[in-house]
Amino acid sequence: GAVVSQHPSWVICKSGTSVKIECRSLDFQATTMFWYRQFPKQSLMLMATSNEGSKATYEQGVEKDKFLINHASLTLSTLTVTSAHPEDSSFYICSARDPRANTEAFFGQGTRLTVV
Amino acid sequence: DQQVKQNSPSLSVQEGRISILNCDYTNSMFDYFLWYKKYPAEGPTFLISISSIKDKNEDGRFTVFLNKSAKHLSLHIVPSQPGDSAVYFCAARGTSGTYKYIFGTGTRLKVLA
Repeated sequence: GAVVSQHPSWVICKSGTSVKIECRSLDFQATTMFWYRQFPKQSLMLMATSNEGSKATYEQGVEKDKFLINHASLTLSTLTVTSAHPEDSSFYICSARDPRANTEAFFGQGTRLTVV
Repeated sequence: DQQVKQNSPSLSVQEGRISILNCDYTNSMFDYFLWYKKYPAEGPTFLISISSIKDKNEDGRFTVFLNKSAKHLSLHIVPSQPGDSAVYFCAARGTSGTYKYIFGTGTRLKVLA
């Protein structure tokens, strides 16, 4: 079945630095990918929709300059958390769907970001 | 404003018994609902779905029921197994034809051996 891979699985960074998270669709081409974040004991909150070859669409309240999304190819979307602060510490998850298949979206394994 | 709600944060069930997980939503425009299962430090895994034109969908031990008038859906797992212990999220597709999901807060299910 379709697989979505995220890298890294976890990362610790210092305040003020930037962190890049990759989301790859391994055996299908994803024209659209989605980025979510999850705080402890809370729901997965959609941050943005990543569209291949065009600008991402951000949900209300999500700072686009803070969370840079690039979807340069049909199999790769990246989320860069710029000038990270401790409150950005969270679990970030991407999802993608194979538009040719009659299946639901597949999720990556997530990235645990800790900003110290 | 939480459009998809799971009011029970946790549930414990004895192995072999039925697990019932509940989910309520507020937006009558949602037309497709899903249940995802999530283990710690992993991404969610799709479990089962139901279209708003149906009131029941069954897949092995898992059955999802939809009550549109009450804006309520439930996931039944029978018989429950220890390996079912995980966090279960219900989700709604926000707009027909897209795969933009709105998730509930999750229910942690613990199946006791």
